[in-house]
Amino acid sequence: EIVLTQSPGTLSLSPGDRATLSCRASQSVSSSNLAWYQQKPGQAPRLLIYGASSRATGIPDRFSGSGSGTDFTLTISRLEPEDFAVYYCQQYGSSPRTFGQGTKVEIK
Amino acid sequence: QLQLQESGPGLVKPSETLSLTCTVSGASISSTSHYWGWIRQPPGKGLEWIGSIYYSGSTYYNPSLKSRLTISVDTSKNQFSLKLSSVTAADTAVYYCARRTSLRPFDYWGQGTLVTVSS
Repeated sequence: EIVLTQSPGTLSLSPGDRATLSCRASQSVSSSNLAWYQQKPGQAPRLLIYGASSRATGIPDRFSGSGSGTDFTLTISRLEPEDFAVYYCQQYGSSPRTFGQGTKVEIK
Repeated sequence: QLQLQESGPGLVKPSETLSLTCTVSGASISSTSHYWGWIRQPPGKGLEWIGSIYYSGSTYYNPSLKSRLTISVDTSKNQFSLKLSSVTAADTAVYYCARRTSLRPFDYWGQGTLVTVSS
């Protein structure tokens, strides 16, 4: 099973700041099958990024993903008020599909 | 517009079987391009993939739950279902159903339903 470790656990930033979230895998993620989701309280997760760097339909271009192998990054270029949420990475290249434990982006 | 809706009891007794159904609207569950899955989230915690099913009935289970898990599909009703047996308090969670395209992650999710295991 691939274990995904996200860091930091919490990121305290202000609107307009740049956010950089990390996701490290315990072994290589095949074919960059790495996704990022955003989850707000009481809501289902929303797919942001798939294939490590491709934005899902309707996702603003301030969200970008990068990385390969075992190290992946989600960058939010300028935080908008609606971006404060919890972010999860997920690998879907091998079974069982696994998620990271999440990074909370909170308002400073 | 694709929509997924979970339904089932919100309270299950320990040692009993948790049963949930996901009703799909706006798309056919018999699509050859898609898989249908279940994910859960204990209160205040992270996400756990439970398992997935293809319209043909092929299933893919999380090994940690496999011995207690059954996922099935009913194409005539455009639904798929989850049964988890011998539940304990550790199975208390919000259960989500979701869709993924082949070789892609889950892109459409239901709103989720809280299932509490308690006597």
